[in-house]
Amino acid sequence: DARVTQTPRHKVTEMGQEVTMRCQPILGHNTVFWYRQTMMQGLELLAYFRNRAPLDDSGMPKDRFSAEMPDATLATLKIQPSEPRDSAVYFCASGLSGSSYEQYFGPGTRLTVT
Amino acid sequence: AQSVSQHNHHVILSEAASLELGCNYSYGGTVNLFWYVQYPGQHLQLLLKYFSGDPLVKGIKGFEAEFIKSKFSFNLRKPSVQWSDTAEYFCAVTLSGGYQKVTFGTGTKLQVIP
Repeated sequence: DARVTQTPRHKVTEMGQEVTMRCQPILGHNTVFWYRQTMMQGLELLAYFRNRAPLDDSGMPKDRFSAEMPDATLATLKIQPSEPRDSAVYFCASGLSGSSYEQYFGPGTRLTVT
Repeated sequence: AQSVSQHNHHVILSEAASLELGCNYSYGGTVNLFWYVQYPGQHLQLLLKYFSGDPLVKGIKGFEAEFIKSKFSFNLRKPSVQWSDTAEYFCAVTLSGGYQKVTFGTGTKLQVIP
């Protein structure tokens, strides 16, 4: 049963610290999405990759957030420096472009910045 | 701008009641439509999807949705809800063809009372 995996599942950090979240997409999928979910804003798209290339990161605060795909099996989302308003659940999803557009979501990383 | 509206933010039903959750979108062109469900503490999972053909789509767990093109709607229905259907439901839309960003609605929280 192929699944998207995310690490860590929970992260508590102090304001100003760097946070790195990792995502392993489903093998063979060539699209990766990063979302942020909060009570106030709901589900927000932060970044989108296809074939490891960033195609859309318009939803991501550029000054402190960065997203990369070092290889096809790993996507990272980094926040530096972190702030309390970054506290949220961050979901990664993967899919297959040119196919059904269905996205398979990972379990999420719950980030708390104090 | 493209958008997805879910007008019901919080719905409370008794078990065995019928469910209909509204979803309207504003897109020009051919669309692909989705409903995702997020059970408490879990990640989003696909309930059903519409790409073409029969506008009445059946998904998992007895859910169905009807695409009404003239109304730009894709409402989710279930004849008889169960306590286990308590979750948040997200409508999502994308344009057909190539990569098109998937836009999610703000979600509807469904609470089913035993």
